[in-house]
Amino acid sequence: DAGVTQSPTHLIKTRGQQVTLRCSPKSGHDTVSWYQQALGQGPQFIFQYYEEEERQRGNFPDRFSGHQFPNYSSELNVNALLLGDSALYLCASSLPTDRIHTDTQYFGPGTRLTVL
Amino acid sequence: DAKTTQPTSMDCAEGRAANLPCNHSTISGNEYVYWYRQIHSQGPQYIIHGLKNNETNEMASLIITEDRKSSTLILPHATLRDTAVYYCIVRVARSSGGSNYKLTFGKGTLLTVNP
Repeated sequence: DAGVTQSPTHLIKTRGQQVTLRCSPKSGHDTVSWYQQALGQGPQFIFQYYEEEERQRGNFPDRFSGHQFPNYSSELNVNALLLGDSALYLCASSLPTDRIHTDTQYFGPGTRLTVL
Repeated sequence: DAKTTQPTSMDCAEGRAANLPCNHSTISGNEYVYWYRQIHSQGPQYIIHGLKNNETNEMASLIITEDRKSSTLILPHATLRDTAVYYCIVRVARSSGGSNYKLTFGKGTLLTVNP
């Protein structure tokens, strides 16, 4: 049973460039959340996608955008990169809750983005 | 979501039980306690969650006090591979009608298991 996968593993960009990160959810999951983790900090919520729509967003500027595809995979796009965007970007997948289960989020290994 | 307080760091001897405390004194009745851990530079790993009853799985046990204002994650026989940052998170479950889908991470507890 495949877990959450992310690509690429590492990425180096320069200021002002644009980047796209990709995520495939755990088998059977249909909800994808994205988090940013700066060095020495806990992950910070960027947004969550469900049914191909963004349904909650954290405190991140519009330079951060996303997309979810019909197969539930997702992309995170960051425009006009800043040095401060250097971080580990994490994707988490979950199921919508039914009356028995909570929507536990399972994380992928992350993409390490370095902005020079 | 309620705020949590955890010690910054803890040490544990290999083979002994590791008991990681978490305070969540403002927890609401429909908020669950979740535990994740993160080994250096990897994605967070889900460990366990609970509402008010004690829970156990193959990784750990979760003990929640009767007033639900604190909890303890127990790793019964810690190994060197359990060295990680452990995060305690309180969150309303969707099954309770919550509409906040995010996990709010603090700084967690760095558990170091020593040989």
